[in-house]
Amino acid sequence: EAQVTQNPRYLITVTGKKLTVTCSQNMNHEYMSWYRQDPGLGLRQIYYSMNVEVTDKGDVPEGYKVSRKEKRNFPLILESPSPNQTSLYFCASSLLARTLQGGITYNEQFFGPGTRLTVL
Amino acid sequence: GIQVEQSPPDLILQEGANSTLRCNFSDSVNNLQWFHQNPWGQLINLFYIPSGTKQNGRLSATTVATERYSLLYISSSQTTDSGVYFCAVPFNDYKLSFGAGTTVTVRA
Repeated sequence: EAQVTQNPRYLITVTGKKLTVTCSQNMNHEYMSWYRQDPGLGLRQIYYSMNVEVTDKGDVPEGYKVSRKEKRNFPLILESPSPNQTSLYFCASSLLARTLQGGITYNEQFFGPGTRLTVL
Repeated sequence: GIQVEQSPPDLILQEGANSTLRCNFSDSVNNLQWFHQNPWGQLINLFYIPSGTKQNGRLSATTVATERYSLLYISSSQTTDSGVYFCAVPFNDYKLSFGAGTTVTVRA
């Protein structure tokens, strides 16, 4: 079954304790991305990756790191989590596509089930 | 960045009613997606619709890219349609910008 998986699904941790949220897709997608969802602020992009070893910042990258060593995996790393990183996190993936202008963009994005993180 | 506005913000429906949700965006886009976030928080793909009209069961969507809007139609609504509906468009080709969502409540 084609899918995006995230682990863990739920996590309660304490300030400063490094953690990693894993994301994996089995659709051979080039593009992967992380989002966080907060009440009143909606869904915001943290980081994205166009392919292996190619990553870039989204709108809210502070306090997060990512890596893309393999095409299927895109882990999100919180080196020193703080309470303001309490949120619902989503990973997504898609194929790349050509724009009408000849550039590159992402195609239909598929989302993982979400990881609910609480930092105390 | 690109502005994405959804209306109405909230919608209460009686089971069996039809409704239309709207998504306006401030710049030309190459694609647009509609999602449904169910009460358990999962984001479910509804439509990938850069332009034109698509239908999937009781749901259909129309995007008029030249006029910078998209519509999502829900017909014969059911309680399982409850949740938040988001539209999302690309920003700078590589980023995704979401609207604030429309919260739909369908009452039995």
